[in-house]
Formats: sequence, structure tokens, C-alpha cells
Amino acid sequence: KNEVEQSPQNLTAQEGEFITINCSYSVGISALHWLQQHPGGGIVSLFMLSSGKKKHGRLIATINIQEKHSSLHITASHPRDSAVYICAVLYRGGSNYKLTFGKGTLLTVNP
Amino acid sequence: NAGVTQTPKFRILKIGQSMTLQCTQDMNHNYMYWYRQDPGMGLKLIYYSVGAGITDKGEVPNGYNVSRSTTEDFPLRLELAAPSQTSVYFCASNGQGVTNEKLFFGSGTQLSVL
Repeated sequence: KNEVEQSPQNLTAQEGEFITINCSYSVGISALHWLQQHPGGGIVSLFMLSSGKKKHGRLIATINIQEKHSSLHITASHPRDSAVYICAVLYRGGSNYKLTFGKGTLLTVNP
Repeated sequence: NAGVTQTPKFRILKIGQSMTLQCTQDMNHNYMYWYRQDPGMGLKLIYYSVGAGITDKGEVPNGYNVSRSTTEDFPLRLELAAPSQTSVYFCASNGQGVTNEKLFFGSGTQLSVL
């Protein structure tokens, strides 16, 4: 079983600040997802990555396979970035691939 | 495209009642999934399907049933609702399976069993 830990659990920032959310896992993986969940809303996939770095707008995701760690960065944060950010890891469990989700990081960006 | 559509958005059930959560997608995705999200916990896989006519259990299948008669639809059935099934349920889909593609989620169904 792959244990997924996200930190911090809660994060409050001022508009414009640089945000970092971390995700660590216990077992080697094939890929890692970052998801965004707005209050009362659905879940949106932000990134899926298996190595290196990906960037989309103000969002940057990095992964270090050797250290079993990934980070999600938000540059120039805005109140509309307020959401729960979820890390999920894809790994081989027996004969199937399994996806294990972290508990999420609640981000609040104040104007 | 509407993407993944779930209904209803909210529902309150009494213990022992039955209901079906509907999920439909218009992206011609083969893979569909049902997850539940409990407060303070990560999403847990209930059931999944790799194509019409094929379904399989996930981590927490007890108390639920599914069917996949068409590519578009993947309903989740609760036969005898229990308080432990109070949760937020998400349907998701993608074309190639979890190994190499993003997941597309519905907006969720908040279910309370009293």
C-alpha cells in the first residue's frame, strides 16, 4: 500500500504570495496527479507527471522520483486559487495499477 | 461537450432505503470510476469499469452495485442505505485508464443517510 502525505493541511496566504504545497509517498510510483477541488464544486485535474516539471499558467508541478516527493507551486496567488489541492499517486499494486489519494491541502488566499 | 454529469447533487435517505446515483459522460471514454470522499480523508475507489459490460470492485465496494450497459452511463446503486454511506460521491472517466491520462470528474453527489 502506498501512503500519501500532503503538507501543509491548511495554508492561508495573501494575494500575490508564492505558494508551495508538498506531497510525499512511500512506494515507487508510475505517475502522480495534482487535482483541484473548489468548495462545493467538482474536481479538476491540473497535472499528471512522472518526471521533471510541468507548467500551466501560474501553476508549476515538480516531482523527484528518487526522493518520492512532489511539489505544487502557485506564483502570484489570487483569491480564485482558494481551493483544496489533492495529490494522487499511481503505482503498481499486484496485477493492477492503483491510484491512492492524499487528504488534500486547503488553500485560502486573502485579497 | 458536457463532460461528466452526475445526478442528483444532493440527497437525503433514510436507513434501509435504496437509490441510484446517475453518471453519464459524452467523451466516449472507456474507463469510468466511482469514488467516495469522506471528511478529512482521501478519495476511495468504490467500483470501476474498463468498458461497456465490464465492471470490477475497488477498495470499498461493500453496500454498492454498478452496471455498465453503455459506454456513456455508469450508475451506482445503493440497495440498503446505511449511515456509513453518508459521503460525497464522485464519478470520473478517462479514455486510456489511470496509467497515462488525466481523470475527468463530475461535480459530485452529497448523500446523507439518516
